[in-house]
Amino acid sequence: DSGVTQTPKHLITATGQRVTLRCSPRSGDLSVYWYQQSLDQGLQFLIQYYNGEERAKGNILERFSAQQFPDLHSELNLSSLELGDSALYFCASSVARGEAGNTIYFGEGSWLTVV
Amino acid sequence: EDQVTQSPEALRLQEGESSSLNCSYTVSGLRGLFWYRQDPGKGPEFLFTLYSAGEEKEKERLKATLTKKESFLHITAPKPEDSATYLCAVQADAILNNDMRFGAGTRLTVKP
Repeated sequence: DSGVTQTPKHLITATGQRVTLRCSPRSGDLSVYWYQQSLDQGLQFLIQYYNGEERAKGNILERFSAQQFPDLHSELNLSSLELGDSALYFCASSVARGEAGNTIYFGEGSWLTVV
Repeated sequence: EDQVTQSPEALRLQEGESSSLNCSYTVSGLRGLFWYRQDPGKGPEFLFTLYSAGEEKEKERLKATLTKKESFLHITAPKPEDSATYLCAVQADAILNNDMRFGAGTRLTVKP
């Protein structure tokens, strides 16, 4: 158990809908990361927050957004869902902002299926 | 361009048959190289961080080594429970915002 908690574990939704994925980082970690993993793409970095502020952006679509709240939990909002958005979405956390070999720890993921 | 390449894509071993997985990287200014283990449908589980060439780390049947161009994950006398996908990732000056860049992974199957 990494200490990173994600909910829900599974969800199925229709195209065009909007969903919110939730993440609680490890106790004491200030950075939260979101990754997407699909069968044909491997792990893709989406976005990072540090202590409530956006720190780095990766391959995140404009239909997706995220935020980190004062209690450090984070939410990833996915809207206007398409079939291709079906994937495992991972949250990860680390103590620091992301410098020099900062280890990140992953949650168990949220399986999103868009039908 | 590929910055992190793992080989082989898949590896099948008999129980007890030692082998090595490779992770080669082309980025400059390496800040850290990470190994993770991922079971199907689960989150990646952290194994090792290596920071500089020549560094080695061990955990049970696994040993990770690092050179200036690649890292190896050596598996000694593997057991069926070592079956998983092993992911390598790098953080480097050349990668924007110190993003952790992952390889595609090596899918290891250990048969009893």
